[in-house]
Amino acid sequence: DLQMTQSPSSLSASVGDRVTITCRASQGISNNLAWYQQKPGKVPNLLIYAASTLQSGVPSRFSGSGSGTDFTLTISSLQPEDVATYYCQKYNSAPFTFGPGTKVDIK
Amino acid sequence: QVQLVQSGAEVKKPGASVKVSCKASGYTFTSYGISWVRQAPGQGLEWVGWISAYNGNTNYAQKLQGRVTMTTDTSTSTAYMELRSLRSDDTAVYYCARDLTTVATALLTYWGQGTPVSVSS
Repeated sequence: DLQMTQSPSSLSASVGDRVTITCRASQGISNNLAWYQQKPGKVPNLLIYAASTLQSGVPSRFSGSGSGTDFTLTISSLQPEDVATYYCQKYNSAPFTFGPGTKVDIK
Repeated sequence: QVQLVQSGAEVKKPGASVKVSCKASGYTFTSYGISWVRQAPGQGLEWVGWISAYNGNTNYAQKLQGRVTMTTDTSTSTAYMELRSLRSDDTAVYYCARDLTTVATALLTYWGQGTPVSVSS
């Protein structure tokens, strides 16, 4: 079965830092990759889909790239409100597996 | 505005069943699929399954095959997720979520508020 992995599992960075999170699929998934942000106590929020398309209303400091098996989510300048756990997810063909998540906090 | 409103918290004993509802409003219900996602306490997101509100086609997570059934009632724009033979590791918050577009399956943009399900003897 398809597996999604993420690295790192957690990170701590300073405000203004560039942050990169990696997601890897165990088999090629083209660009059918989404990123979600889940703040503590809240429901997940869609940030990016089709690997690199920013969802409406999402700040431009978030960006995504990749295709096939390797993907990245980048926050160009970390802000305090970005403290959250970030999940990648494969969509469009089952199983619609989520990655294990990357917890981001402020140093 | 699109809204998904889920039923309230459930407490069940091991071996029992639970049925969670998700009432949709603000859009044409049959145009979009609905996924169910769960999150155990302190854990990550786990995709449970997806149902087409158009024709009732389903996809379930392999680990839950045989225990989970998803249905819709188009007359009330409501989706349901039933989980049987509950175990303690089914304890989680269960979310319903709607596809972003009519052609992007399980790309989730609108979420319900979540339904806590606790399984304990």
